Amino acid sequence: GQNIDQPTEMTATEGAIVQINCTYQTSGFNGLFWYQQHAGEAPTFLSYNVLDGLEEKGRFSSFLSRSKGYSYLLLKELQMKDSASYLCAVKHGAGSYQLTFGKGTKLSVIP
Amino acid sequence: GAVVSQHPSWVICKSGTSVKIECRSLDFQATTMFWYRQFPKQSLMLMATSNEGSKATYEQGVEKDKFLINHASLTLSTLTVTSAHPEDSSFYICSARAGDSYYGYTFGSGTRLTVV
Repeated sequence: GQNIDQPTEMTATEGAIVQINCTYQTSGFNGLFWYQQHAGEAPTFLSYNVLDGLEEKGRFSSFLSRSKGYSYLLLKELQMKDSASYLCAVKHGAGSYQLTFGKGTKLSVIP
Repeated sequence: GAVVSQHPSWVICKSGTSVKIECRSLDFQATTMFWYRQFPKQSLMLMATSNEGSKATYEQGVEKDKFLINHASLTLSTLTVTSAHPEDSSFYICSARAGDSYYGYTFGSGTRLTVV
């Protein structure tokens, strides 16, 4: 089976740093994605990790530990426009290109 | 970059009618397209996977006779919701894959379906 867990909601202050965690237990693993989704819109790509370690891209960084089935998305210097849902998605293994999504974490950035 | 165009953006239809949603890859050939459904405050749930020229593979619990998927070319896939009911009201999103990299997963802008 597939199981991906994320916190349902988080609140953080403008200018601060927030870490959104994601744990997964899936049959097969071939990479983990983070997407940002504003209400009523399609998800937009943020990051992709397939090897252990930290990937940094501007204000956003993503970390993966395959042995622990764990990832996090780190958002720095939060801005009001970062208020959105953040989706963790696991790409299945060889022979399947499906993505299984977590339920998403709704982040509210407050002044 | 890769662009996927999805139409319509929103549609309201009467109960019992059918609605077709189109998903086009504009600047690449989509070997595989995925169709998702998202209810309010829920995550994306995969409905079906379609490869060009072959029948779609539906996820458990998704009625293939109700949600007809056609992937007749490498740039176009359609989802037809037949005999729509109010419980089919949802946000439908397509995603196209062009290759085995993260660039390959490009999402359409979504279709908000409301059945009255």
